Amino acid sequence: AQSVAQPEDQVNVAEGNPLTVKCTYSVSGNPYLFWYVQYPNRGLQFLLKYITGDNLVKGSYGFEAEFNKSQTSFHLKKPSALVSDSALYFCAVTPNSGYSTLTFGKGTMLLVSP
Amino acid sequence: DAMVIQNPRYQVTQFGKPVTLSCSQTLNHNVMYWYQQKSSQAPKLLFHYYDKDFNNEADTPDNFQSRRPNTSFCFLDIRSPGLGDAAMYLCATSRGDQKADTQYFGPGTRLTVL
Repeated sequence: AQSVAQPEDQVNVAEGNPLTVKCTYSVSGNPYLFWYVQYPNRGLQFLLKYITGDNLVKGSYGFEAEFNKSQTSFHLKKPSALVSDSALYFCAVTPNSGYSTLTFGKGTMLLVSP
Repeated sequence: DAMVIQNPRYQVTQFGKPVTLSCSQTLNHNVMYWYQQKSSQAPKLLFHYYDKDFNNEADTPDNFQSRRPNTSFCFLDIRSPGLGDAAMYLCATSRGDQKADTQYFGPGTRLTVL
């Protein structure tokens, strides 16, 4: 069975500074990895996904994520944080062996201060 | 724009009174999912339909049922809501024809049980 760990409940960063939201995973075989963002009282919004190939994946709103197979990690990054990036971020994984549903991490609240 | 629509956005029901939440999609996706999300936790998959095939998660209570009368619509029925069923209910869809299947979420229905 697959699992996702997001070790930080909350990440605080000042506007303009780089941000990192951490994610590690466990899955049999090679993974497909996703990041979603959730604003208050809204559904989840897809940011990016890793399938194969380049370890640096670029997504929406200037976010990117780096896949590291040896460390089984898929950290979300942004070079310069905005106050409007403040939200709940979820990492998710599914194995790349046939159709399967997503397993989500518990989420990390990102707070960007002005 | 193609989208996932959930109605109502807010639903109040009484303890034990059946309630139905609805989801519709204009994406023409094969798969529709229902998640339960409590208070800044990870979404918990209740069940999903792959076309007409119903897939129930092992730990989904019998109190929760679902119907998918056609491709566009999917309903979540809670037969006898308890206080513990108060949560945000998220509907999502995906194409179902690729391994790294991106899920697209609706805005959610927040259920209050009095």
